[in-house]
Amino acid sequence: AQRVTQPEKLLSVFKGAPVELKCNYSYSGSPELFWYVQYSRQRLQLLLRHISRESIKGFTADLNKGETSFHLKKPFAQEEDSAMYYCALRKTSGSRLTFGEGTQLTVNP
Amino acid sequence: DTAVSQTPKYLVTQMGNDKSIKCEQNLGHDTMYWYKQDSKKFLKIMFSYNNKELIINETVPNRFSPKSPDKAHLNLHINSLELGDSAVYFCASSQAAGGDTIYFGEGSWLTVV
Repeated sequence: AQRVTQPEKLLSVFKGAPVELKCNYSYSGSPELFWYVQYSRQRLQLLLRHISRESIKGFTADLNKGETSFHLKKPFAQEEDSAMYYCALRKTSGSRLTFGEGTQLTVNP
Repeated sequence: DTAVSQTPKYLVTQMGNDKSIKCEQNLGHDTMYWYKQDSKKFLKIMFSYNNKELIINETVPNRFSPKSPDKAHLNLHINSLELGDSAVYFCASSQAAGGDTIYFGEGSWLTVV
């Protein structure tokens, strides 16, 4: 069975500092990896998916199959980045998303 | 032009009551989902329907019964509510069962007292 681990429940950084939200997964096949973000009392929104290899709001994430990781990075955090971030995995041919436990990011002024 | 909409957004009810949460998507998607976010913010899938057919049914108490009258709607009915049912319930949809981006509704905050 697939599993997603986000080791940090809470992460606090200062504005302008680099930020990295860790995500590790376990799955024997080739998964699709996603990052979703949930701003305070709002819906989950897709931030990134690994197959797109894009940068959204300054965030990037690289799938490292050797380390089974999909860490989310931003070189200069902004206060508006404060939110709950979920890493999620989906089997290539599957439908359900398996979420990590989430990391609450707080960017302090 | 809300893509996935849920009602009600907030619901406070007493133990033992029966309640429903409605969900509608106007994206023309074939697949819809219900996810539960508990007090620790942990998200877990409950159900998934593809073209009105149940395709995912996680280990959820029988008190929870999804109903899909058509592929644009997936309602969640909960019988005999318990304190532990207090959570945020998110409806979501995607183009296909194995398909693209999953879009979420704004969530329904259920509080059982």
